[in-house]
Amino acid sequence: LAKTTQPISMDSYEGQEVNITCSHNNIATNDYITWYQQFPSQGPRFIIQGYKTKVTNEVASLFIPADRKSSTLSLPRVSLSDTAVYYCLVGDGVGRAGSYQLTFGKGTKLSVIP
Amino acid sequence: DGGITQSPKYLFRKEGQNVTLSCEQNLNHDAMYWYRQDPGQGLRLIYYSQIVNDFQKGDIAEGYSVSREKKESFPLTVTSAQKNPTAFYLCASSPAGGDTEAFFGQGTRLTVV
Repeated sequence: LAKTTQPISMDSYEGQEVNITCSHNNIATNDYITWYQQFPSQGPRFIIQGYKTKVTNEVASLFIPADRKSSTLSLPRVSLSDTAVYYCLVGDGVGRAGSYQLTFGKGTKLSVIP
Repeated sequence: DGGITQSPKYLFRKEGQNVTLSCEQNLNHDAMYWYRQDPGQGLRLIYYSQIVNDFQKGDIAEGYSVSREKKESFPLTVTSAQKNPTAFYLCASSPAGGDTEAFFGQGTRLTVV
């Protein structure tokens, strides 16, 4: 399984764009990159997923360089409600039985300041 | 209304007792997972199951047991062998594969006194 490394914490002011980078040097050919958001005392929820280049949805953008050894989650114009822990996961997209463990790291605690 | 349900939300048990946490999903997902989260920490994988009647140990399976007799249910038993069982427990489900989205329950906060 590819291991991921993220900053432990980040601070940002309201209205700014926030970029959280995740390193996954051992990513395999079939692996997808997925980001989740977790608020205190709640289960994580899916934000965005990608395989290569750029993916954008109504909440965030995900940038993946050609070598796929890292990825960057971009949150545009954050608000106080974006204060949460953000997790980067790497998982096998083939879906072979028993191959996908859905392993979380420690995540990045984002604090948005008024 | 599709989703994944954990019960109860809060659970108190005396030390030395086994306790079973419930997790039910009606999303028709093949894969289900159990995690433990301690204050200020990330999620640690306890057990996961990709298909009915099959499951694998995660990183911290000691002191826990699971069953997967039905596709929609994946109960977790915290046994007396678990040295420090007080924690927040999260259940998740997903279609099998790393290119899919996982859905989480609201969690069960277990306190052992």
